[in-house]
Formats: sequence, structure tokens, C-alpha cells
Amino acid sequence: QKEVEQDPGPLSVPEGAIVSLNCTYSNSAFQYFMWYRQYSRKGPELLMYTYSSGNKEDGRFTAQVDKSSKYISLFIRDSQPSDSATYLCANSGTYKYIFGTGTRLKVLA
Amino acid sequence: EAQVTQNPRYLITVTGKKLTVTCSQNMNHEYMSWYRQDPGLGLRQIYYSMNVEVTDKGDVPEGYKVSRKEKRNFPLILESPSPNQTSLYFCASSPRSSSGNTIYFGEGSWLTVV
Repeated sequence: QKEVEQDPGPLSVPEGAIVSLNCTYSNSAFQYFMWYRQYSRKGPELLMYTYSSGNKEDGRFTAQVDKSSKYISLFIRDSQPSDSATYLCANSGTYKYIFGTGTRLKVLA
Repeated sequence: EAQVTQNPRYLITVTGKKLTVTCSQNMNHEYMSWYRQDPGLGLRQIYYSMNVEVTDKGDVPEGYKVSRKEKRNFPLILESPSPNQTSLYFCASSPRSSSGNTIYFGEGSWLTVV
């Protein structure tokens, strides 16, 4: 079992849709959770970072962590074509970051 | 502008020919690391460094070497590249080595070994 599992997609949605991206993780010792966005041929950039269970909101993005089920989610409201990218979830502990394989999202205009 | 700079961005080389991918950050970060990204496998950590002269292996260190002689630079060395090292490589840095800090990634280096 991979330490962080993520559906690779691709996921295609119409502009304006609510997008839900999900990951599961296995290492309870890693207490930090992150979502990165990666455009084609670019390095990943941090979107959201959270430590605790619950929701964290930033504009159109909401990150949700459920430690009891080891489930991480990212919601994108009012999705835009510019949101088309690969989204990577990550779980981190001391000095180590474990990334999911990424979900490719395409938002259709 | 705060950034992580990698060079070369694109390289085709032959099996066994030593190569170095340079990485430099201008943010005075303590923590730096190297990842490779492969289809279906995602980002995997090769090596990381907590500070000058302090390095440690990540998940896939075989076939790679690193050094950290200066805070800003963290080169990745492939002493004898093989085709299974064909990949997209990312250098990253972070202000502290503790968990949860933002990692800043470079633009990536596409390496092909033939």
C-alpha cells in the first residue's frame, strides 16, 4: 500500500462546477497535510497547508482533513479553466514529505 | 524574486557519463531536497539536507550523490547514469527542516539517459 493514495484521474468538469479531489494516507505519525498544484512542465506550488482535522478555507479552495478515516480532500468552488492542472496531496513528518501521484483536472470552458 | 533555480532544464546524456544538476535558492533556506517525478509513481524524495554539510537519504537514493557545501547550493550528482534514471527532477527548499513548512520547488530538470 502506498503511503499516500490518490486517484490519478483525469477528471473533467464544466466551468463553474464544484470539484472534489481526495487522498488517503496511511502514516498517522505524519501530522501535516498539504495540497500542491502543478501546471504542465512546471514545479508544484503550494495551495493549502493544514495541521489539524477539520476544514481550512482560502478563497475558492477548501482543504479538509479527517484524521479518524485518514482522508484528505480539496474542494474547488466555481472552478475556472485556469484551475486545469495536476493536484498533488502530501503528508509530511520530520524531514520527509510523501506525495500522492496527483490527480489531473481539466475544467472545460 | 524568491526562487529555486535548477540547471540544466533539459538534458540528454549517455549511459555512464557523469553529470551534475545544479540547484540554487536565494531565500536563505536551511532545508533543501531533491525529488524525481515519474508517471504513476509521483514525487519521490532522493536526498535531503537539513543544513550545510548535513545530508541524508530519502526514499530512492541509489545511483545519486549530493553535497551541501554552501547554504544556497545543493547539486545532484549522477556518477554513472543509467536509463532508469530518466526522469523529471525537482529541487526544493524550505525555511526550516521541521514538518509542515512550505516547500518551494524549482522548475524541474528533464533528464533522458540513453
